[in-house]
Amino acid sequence: GAGVSQSPSNKVTEKGKDVELRCDPISGHTALYWYRQRLGQGLEFLIYFQGNSAPDKSGLPSDRFSAERTGESVSTLTIQRTQQEDSAVYLCASRPSGGTDTQYFGPGTRLTVL
Amino acid sequence: EDKVVQSPLSLVVHEGDTVTLNCSYEVTNFRSLLWYKQEKKAPTFLFMLTSSGIEKKSGRLSSILDKKELSSILNITATQTGDSAIYLCAVGLIQGAQKLVFGQGTRLTINP
Repeated sequence: GAGVSQSPSNKVTEKGKDVELRCDPISGHTALYWYRQRLGQGLEFLIYFQGNSAPDKSGLPSDRFSAERTGESVSTLTIQRTQQEDSAVYLCASRPSGGTDTQYFGPGTRLTVL
Repeated sequence: EDKVVQSPLSLVVHEGDTVTLNCSYEVTNFRSLLWYKQEKKAPTFLFMLTSSGIEKKSGRLSSILDKKELSSILNITATQTGDSAIYLCAVGLIQGAQKLVFGQGTRLTINP
């Protein structure tokens, strides 16, 4: 079946502009995660959605970052007033309900802030 | 603070060699340990380990968890150039979000 998809695959923007990144999870997966991966680093948790519960936003680095998800479908991550330190690959992952910890990742969006 | 550390950070070997990648963790509420392979951008799932001492195997790759030593190893035998990638270790926590805490990764390069 279809995996996690993300768009755009690459985004170049100027400092101070807003950007919106999109994630389509695997159909039927109730949990959705956003991560940030800076060059040469591991994955840094940003936010988690589970069904209609309140999201876990504990990883968002500043109030310039926000994310939304409608039900169990698409999610968007918005970064306002982008800074050069926001340059990174933004990865989305989804997980089915139940006990598994296994998350399935999308191909990511490479964001470059000039 | 929950922490996952991988070693080495970078490894270069010749095709056909066997490699061992290490992952150690210090976390509260351990639930599972996962290995992923990251070639371009998307990490792809390799193994999930929950029980100590039980080896999981897939072709030339195998992994084992040692809960007493708070660590895991990933072995790759008869390496091929297609094994070149970043290998990520992550620990799953018992908590509402079932978050994964990732190590910084090991960059493995296989030279022909």
